[in-house]
Amino acid sequence: EVQVVESGGGFVQPGGSLRLSCAVSGFAFGSYWMSWVRQAPGKGLEWVANIKQEGSEKYYVDSVKGRFTISRDNAKSSLSLQMNSLRAEDTAVYYCARVSSTWCFDYWGQGTLVTVSS
Amino acid sequence: EIVLTQSPATLSLSPGERATLSCRASQSVSSYLAWYQQKPGQAPRLLIYDASNRATGIPARFSGSGSGTDFTLTISSLEPEDFAVYYCQQRSNRITFGQGTRLEIK
Repeated sequence: EVQVVESGGGFVQPGGSLRLSCAVSGFAFGSYWMSWVRQAPGKGLEWVANIKQEGSEKYYVDSVKGRFTISRDNAKSSLSLQMNSLRAEDTAVYYCARVSSTWCFDYWGQGTLVTVSS
Repeated sequence: EIVLTQSPATLSLSPGERATLSCRASQSVSSYLAWYQQKPGQAPRLLIYDASNRATGIPARFSGSGSGTDFTLTISSLEPEDFAVYYCQQRSNRITFGQGTRLEIK
């Protein structure tokens, strides 16, 4: 059974930092691209970042470039998102998701809430 | 950036009725379009990929069609558990989602 479990969310002041983690089991983690997708309260979905299987390629939505860093540890089947210089507009539930061979998100975690507020 | 526009924003129907949801892209995405269902407090669930292919375990009442810029998700006969928010997503150029269609019980 595939399991995707995010952690690390919480309350942070503007300008602060937070590191999200995602623990995966039930599939060959190192064989898949992985992503972070977020959803602001009451809003739609927004793709945040992608990382290739071995970590050699990373892509970000423009609004987080230079502030967020996606990384992975294939030995531990884990994905991370380091978020710096956080803004109020980064407040959202952050989902970790597997990227399928057809570039869809076929497995999702339950999400972790990040709240940026003074 | 490719913008996906979903319509209607809200669709009110009764169980047993047919639902037709639309997703229009600002430029061609070929067939690189997916549909997701999201219920309150839950993560999205993949329904359709590459415009018309049902994901694993998705009931046959869900079908997708279209190519280029115009796409449709059809639910042939609504079940009570189908009332949710539906999102389209393209992967032709980076990744973007539509703003969602809320399917509510009439």
